[in-house]
Amino acid sequence: EILMTQSPATLSVSPGERVTLSCRASLSVDSNLAWYQQTPGQAPRLLIYDASTRATDIPERFSGSGSGTEFTLTISSLQSEDFAVFYCQQYNDWPRTFGQGTKVEV
Amino acid sequence: QVQLVQPGSEVKKPGSSVKVSCKASGGSFSTSDFSWVRQAPGQGLEWIGGITPTFIVPMYAQKFQGRLTVTADESTATVSMELRSLRSDDTAVYYCARGDGNYAPFDFWGQGTQVIVSS
Repeated sequence: EILMTQSPATLSVSPGERVTLSCRASLSVDSNLAWYQQTPGQAPRLLIYDASTRATDIPERFSGSGSGTEFTLTISSLQSEDFAVFYCQQYNDWPRTFGQGTKVEV
Repeated sequence: QVQLVQPGSEVKKPGSSVKVSCKASGGSFSTSDFSWVRQAPGQGLEWIGGITPTFIVPMYAQKFQGRLTVTADESTATVSMELRSLRSDDTAVYYCARGDGNYAPFDFWGQGTQVIVSS
């Protein structure tokens, strides 16, 4: 099983700040890496897939980078609606696995 | 636009089973990859099992082997998961999620089914 490790667990930031979240895979997942955003009471929403491709209707302030075992999600200027929990997930192998999440809070 | 519709909630006794359905509309059902992801209260996302395009082989997380069955019915465009021998720590929201083929992210999610296991 590929273990996904996210850091930090919690990030305290202010609106307008640039935010960088990290995700590390225990084995290479090539570029088969997705990022999801989840707000309380809602299902996760796909933000980024194939490590760096924005999903449909995702604002340009969200960007992803990396390949192999090291990945980054960047939010260029945090908006109030971006406060949420962010998860990375690999789909290179079975079982599919998620990171433990990074909570972005005010 | 793909939509995945799940029932709202289920309450079960310890030791019993629960079967949760996920009805898909839009998209191509037969070439989609469907997974079940659960989230215990206050916890993160946990992939528990899925079924691959053409619905030949279901895949399960090791901890659920023997206790979980995932099936797909193309005639009704419905994916189901059955979890047996329920325990209190199976209490969670269970999401159905779709991938557009193999090696694909989960681009559409159901609204989740709250499963409560309590005596």
